[in-house]
Amino acid sequence: NAGVTQTPKFQVLKTGQSMTLQCAQDMNHEYMSWYRQDPGMGLRLIHYSVGAGITDQGEVPNGYNVSRSTTEDFPLRLLSAAPSQTSVYFCASSSIPGQGYNTEAFFGQGTRLTVV
Amino acid sequence: AQSVTQLDSQVPVFEEAPVELRCNYSSSVSVYLFWYVQYPNQGLQLLLKYLSGSTLVKGINGFEAEFNKSQTSFHLRKPSVHISDTAEYFCAVSESVSGSRLTFGEGTQLTVNP
Repeated sequence: NAGVTQTPKFQVLKTGQSMTLQCAQDMNHEYMSWYRQDPGMGLRLIHYSVGAGITDQGEVPNGYNVSRSTTEDFPLRLLSAAPSQTSVYFCASSSIPGQGYNTEAFFGQGTRLTVV
Repeated sequence: AQSVTQLDSQVPVFEEAPVELRCNYSSSVSVYLFWYVQYPNQGLQLLLKYLSGSTLVKGINGFEAEFNKSQTSFHLRKPSVHISDTAEYFCAVSESVSGSRLTFGEGTQLTVNP
């Protein structure tokens, strides 16, 4: 089982550049979400989706865009990277309560992004 | 709104000693509680979760946690730690039983020394 797959694993960007972090899951999960992890701050929710075509903002959405055209994929876009976006990004997926016996969020391995 | 506070940022212990990692939460609604572990340069792995029922929850790798509603706490314990338990541990809450939108604590770095 592949689970949740994130690409790339590492990325260095210059300030102002744009890029897309990819996230794919093969568990047919409805929920998908993006978190960023910064030292001493735990993980904070950026954006999430409850199904294809439906997205919403989390705690720290500024500077990021998302879309959900398929159940499997949930890309995160940085339109104009800033040094404050240097972080480790995690994608997670989970099933709708009551529609799966495995009720937990599965996380990808993370993308380490540095903006210089 | 909900929040999670992990009371210790770093916990050093010796191998085979017991350990407790403390977690307090606040929420205006009922929440579900989770502990995740993160080994170096890896993603997060679920240790255990409290959804309902017995307040003592057992998880993987010999860890357990006790939900205390009156004290709004969900402390993680292990009676005897191993070197391989060295990792960062995160307490998290969610309004959804599937943990779809998690609010995390700041994390506790557990270091097990020989």
